[in-house]
Amino acid sequence: EAQVTQNPRYLITVTGKKLTVTCSQNMNHEYMSWYRQDPGLGLRQIYYSMNVEVTDKGDVPEGYKVSRKEKRNFPLILESPSPNQTSLYFCASSTHPAGLDEQYFGPGTRLTVT
Amino acid sequence: AQTVTQSQPEMSVQEAETVTLSCTYDTSESNYYLFWYKQPPSRQMILVIRQEAYKQQNATENRFSVNFQKAAKSFSLKISDSQLGDTAMYFCAFMNLYDMRFGAGTRLTVKP
Repeated sequence: EAQVTQNPRYLITVTGKKLTVTCSQNMNHEYMSWYRQDPGLGLRQIYYSMNVEVTDKGDVPEGYKVSRKEKRNFPLILESPSPNQTSLYFCASSTHPAGLDEQYFGPGTRLTVT
Repeated sequence: AQTVTQSQPEMSVQEAETVTLSCTYDTSESNYYLFWYKQPPSRQMILVIRQEAYKQQNATENRFSVNFQKAAKSFSLKISDSQLGDTAMYFCAFMNLYDMRFGAGTRLTVKP
């Protein structure tokens, strides 16, 4: 089954404790992206990747890192999480290398930073 | 930078009736894509409909259709014969070469 998976689905952590949210897709998509969803703000793009080893900042990259060492994986790293990073996070991938097509979203990761 | 505005935070409609969700955007680009995504209580993001800016014909997917007015930078979604399963948050989105922008969303409730 074609899908985007994220882990963990729920995470409660403390300020400053490094964490990684994994994202994997099995559709051989070149384009992958991370978003955060906050009430009243919709989804905002954090980082995106056009291919292996090629990433770029989105709208709200501060406090986040990403890597794309393999085509299927695009982990999101929070080196020192802060409470303002409490949010719902989505990973997505697309058939089009520039994302100009339907984006397939993962199930979301609810992160709480205390 | 591109922006997307959904001016209706919440809407409701009676089952079987028609409802229109509004979306406007701001861009200086001429080539782009527009999307409507549905997010039910499960939080899963589901593509409803897509419109390429270079196409003048409005996109249609079963009960869902759009009114795309490029000059006015408007992209509204019409849902016909509303069903209880249409209850969800709806997001309008703009995409131009890697950069994707979403509106704040409209929460639609379909009442029996």
